[in-house]
Amino acid sequence: ETGVTQSPTHLIKTRGQQVTLRCSSQSGHNTVSWYQQALGQGPQFIFQYYREEENGRGNFPPRFSGLQFPNYSSELNVNALELDDSALYLCASSQTVNNEQFFGPGTRLTVL
Amino acid sequence: AQSVTQLDSHVSVSEGTPVLLRCNYSSSYSPSLFWYVQHPNKGLQLLLKYTSAATLVKGINGFEAEFKKSETSFHLTKPSAHMSDAAEYFCVVSDIEAKTSYDKVIFGPGTSLSVIP
Repeated sequence: ETGVTQSPTHLIKTRGQQVTLRCSSQSGHNTVSWYQQALGQGPQFIFQYYREEENGRGNFPPRFSGLQFPNYSSELNVNALELDDSALYLCASSQTVNNEQFFGPGTRLTVL
Repeated sequence: AQSVTQLDSHVSVSEGTPVLLRCNYSSSYSPSLFWYVQHPNKGLQLLLKYTSAATLVKGINGFEAEFKKSETSFHLTKPSAHMSDAAEYFCVVSDIEAKTSYDKVIFGPGTSLSVIP
């Protein structure tokens, strides 16, 4: 059974650019959640997707958007990048809502 | 509103001595509670979870935690620390958001555990 995978591992962007991060959920999982983990802090919930629909959102601006595809993989898009967007972005999948979440290794985004 | 407080940002213990990582939470409902561990440059790994069954929860690698509703606490313990336990530990509270049924997951700020040989 393949676990949660994320790509790319690392990414460097400049302010104002746009970025797309990708997540492949674990087999059999239909729910994906995204988190932002700034250096030295705990992960912050961005949003959750369930069966291709956004199912909940944390306190992040609209320039953070996402998609979930029919195979339940997911993308996180961030527009108009700011320096404070530099963080580790974690994806977690679960069998369904309110089930245990399994985390991927994360994508380290650096905004210069 | 939910919140999680991890009372110590850093804990240092000697190898072979007990570990205590403290966590207090607030929640409007009956929450699920978790402890995750994060080793450097690795993903989050679930240590244990409480989901309204037994209040003393046993996890992997000898860790356990006790849910105390009266104290709103969910402290993590281990009888004897090992060098490989050095990592960042996160206490997590999860409720189902009533209006939309999504998992409202709140992470604590983390406790960094150092193990001295």
